Amino acid sequence: KAGVTQTPRYLIKTRGQQVTLSCSPISGHRSVSWYQQTPGQGLQFLFEYFSETQRNKGNFPGRFSGRQFSNSRSEMNVSTLELGDSALYLCASSLALRSTDTQYFGPGTRLTVL
Amino acid sequence: GQQVMQIPQYQHVQEGEDFTTYCNSSTTLSNIQWYKQRPGGHPVFLIQLVKSGEVKKQKRLTFQFGEAKKNSSLHITATQTTDVGTYFCAGSPNAGNNRKLIWGLGTSLAVNP
Repeated sequence: KAGVTQTPRYLIKTRGQQVTLSCSPISGHRSVSWYQQTPGQGLQFLFEYFSETQRNKGNFPGRFSGRQFSNSRSEMNVSTLELGDSALYLCASSLALRSTDTQYFGPGTRLTVL
Repeated sequence: GQQVMQIPQYQHVQEGEDFTTYCNSSTTLSNIQWYKQRPGGHPVFLIQLVKSGEVKKQKRLTFQFGEAKKNSSLHITATQTTDVGTYFCAGSPNAGNNRKLIWGLGTSLAVNP
């Protein structure tokens, strides 16, 4: 089975721009979660989508949004980029059969905001 | 809010020494997962513990879940350079929306050959 894929892998943007990141989960996985990772801050949970609905949400401003399509692929959008948004953005998919399932992470998208 | 504290934040060891990282939750957990992230890589699932007092072993790695299901530990015996990386714990609270994983900040392990 192919793993979780994320595109693009690297991205450079300037302040004020917006960005869209894409995540394709493992075939058959219905849940996709997004995380922001910065040095010293660990994995900060952004949101989780299941069957095209946002099921959980972290403590991020409304500039961060996402969606999930009927094929379980997910996109994350960040509007009005700030320097502090520079980070590795990871998505993780899971089967979502039980209360908490193993998270399978993609390689991430490295976003740099100048 | 619900928190999972992980200590230490960093650990430097000589190859062959043992290493332990600890996770402590402010709330009872229904289960806890451990992940490893190699430098430049992404987190990879290691194991999940569910039962109170559970102990699981994977070769040189020993994972424990506390009796009260509020803490957990990962112990590596005789570290090797391949153990380098950041180890994360992630717990699922018993109460509330238990589908949400609460992540520790990770312990970064460096191994000197």
